[in-house]
Amino acid sequence: EVQLVESGGGLVQPGGSLRLSCAASEFTLSAYTMNWVRQAPGKGLEWVSQIHSSGATFYADSMKGRFTISRDSAKNSLYLQMDSLRVEDTAVYYCARQYWAFDPWGQGTLVTVSS
Amino acid sequence: DIQLTQSPSFLSASAGDRVTITCRASQGISSHLAWYQQKPGKAPKLLIYSASSLQGGVPSRFSGSGSGTEFTLTISSLQPEDFATYYCQQVDSYPITFGPGTKVDIK
Repeated sequence: EVQLVESGGGLVQPGGSLRLSCAASEFTLSAYTMNWVRQAPGKGLEWVSQIHSSGATFYADSMKGRFTISRDSAKNSLYLQMDSLRVEDTAVYYCARQYWAFDPWGQGTLVTVSS
Repeated sequence: DIQLTQSPSFLSASAGDRVTITCRASQGISSHLAWYQQKPGKAPKLLIYSASSLQGGVPSRFSGSGSGTEFTLTISSLQPEDFATYYCQQVDSYPITFGPGTKVDIK
């Protein structure tokens, strides 16, 4: 079964860093466009970042310069390095594979930025 | 950035009802629109891609239509498991954006 499993979330202080991981099963992650999407508590969905199969990367404006998307083909995994975290970055972070649209999604990992 | 608006933001309906949700884009996006269903505590689930293509495994009571700036998601006969929040998404240009959501609740 094609599956994505996120990990790495947790509690971090404002200004801190966190690295999220997304492990893929039953497909080759580097052959697809992959995305990170977040959802703040009680709010809607917000696209965060994308990495193409070519390796090209794209970011939402509010994340540029603070977040870095990457992948490891050997580990068949996607990553999101988050630096200079702010209280407003508190959210569940999902990874999602993209072909025509986003499918499948992982179960999400919660990031809480608080002092 | 392309803004997506959804209407209504909330609707109360009964099982068996026909439900229509509208998504409008601030500029033309051809057919580069998807619809997702999300239940509390769960990840979103893809229902419709390319405005009108039904994702595999999704019941045929779900359908999508539209192109350019106006799109609709229709549920022909609402089932108990369909009570959820629905989001549209444009993948036409960066940044990828989502609509604010439509919550479908039980009347």
